[in-house]
Amino acid sequence: NAGVTQTPKFRVLKTGQSMTLLCAQDMNHEYMYWYRQDPGMGLRLIHYSVGEGTTAKGEVPDGYNVSRLKKQNFLLGLESAAPSQTSVYFCASSYSQGLEAFFGQGTRLTVV
Amino acid sequence: AQSVSQHNHHVILSEAASLELGCNYSYGGTVNLFWYVQYPGQHLQLLLKYFSGDPLVKGIKGFEAEFIKSKFSFNLRKPSVQWSDTAEYFCAPRSYNTDKLIFGTGTRLQVFP
Repeated sequence: NAGVTQTPKFRVLKTGQSMTLLCAQDMNHEYMYWYRQDPGMGLRLIHYSVGEGTTAKGEVPDGYNVSRLKKQNFLLGLESAAPSQTSVYFCASSYSQGLEAFFGQGTRLTVV
Repeated sequence: AQSVSQHNHHVILSEAASLELGCNYSYGGTVNLFWYVQYPGQHLQLLLKYFSGDPLVKGIKGFEAEFIKSKFSFNLRKPSVQWSDTAEYFCAPRSYNTDKLIFGTGTRLQVFP
């Protein structure tokens, strides 16, 4: 049982390049989340999804897009990367609103 | 608006000292409460959770937390910390009234031998 898997684990981008981060969960969870973690800022919610085909904005959605075409996958896209998007990105999933979330191992993204 | 406050941003302790980390929230309705821990270079893992019943809950590695409904607080405690407790700790209330999962800003704990 893999839980929540994020790919890639590390990535370096040049300013203006695009990329997609993949989050996959095998727990049949409805809810999925993308966060970014920066020193002293805690975890900030970028986008989330409450089920297949749905997405919603979190606290810091600008510069990111997401898609949830399949229940098990939640993709985070950066269309034109900026140095301010250098961060560690975490994906999480949960069965419902009130229950605990399970996290992926994170993706360390550097934009130069 | 829903919010979560963790008052201690950085705590430095010696081994065997006692620990208490504060967490306050402003959520309406029924709230489930969680503490997560993030060890250096790792992802977040569940430390303990409270859904209902006894407001004093015990988690892994000797941690416990007390829910005080009247104060909207869910403080984390450990009687005697160890060097291996060095990590970042996040409080996360969850409400069935919202789809979002919001975390506190975290408390960085450093324990020195």
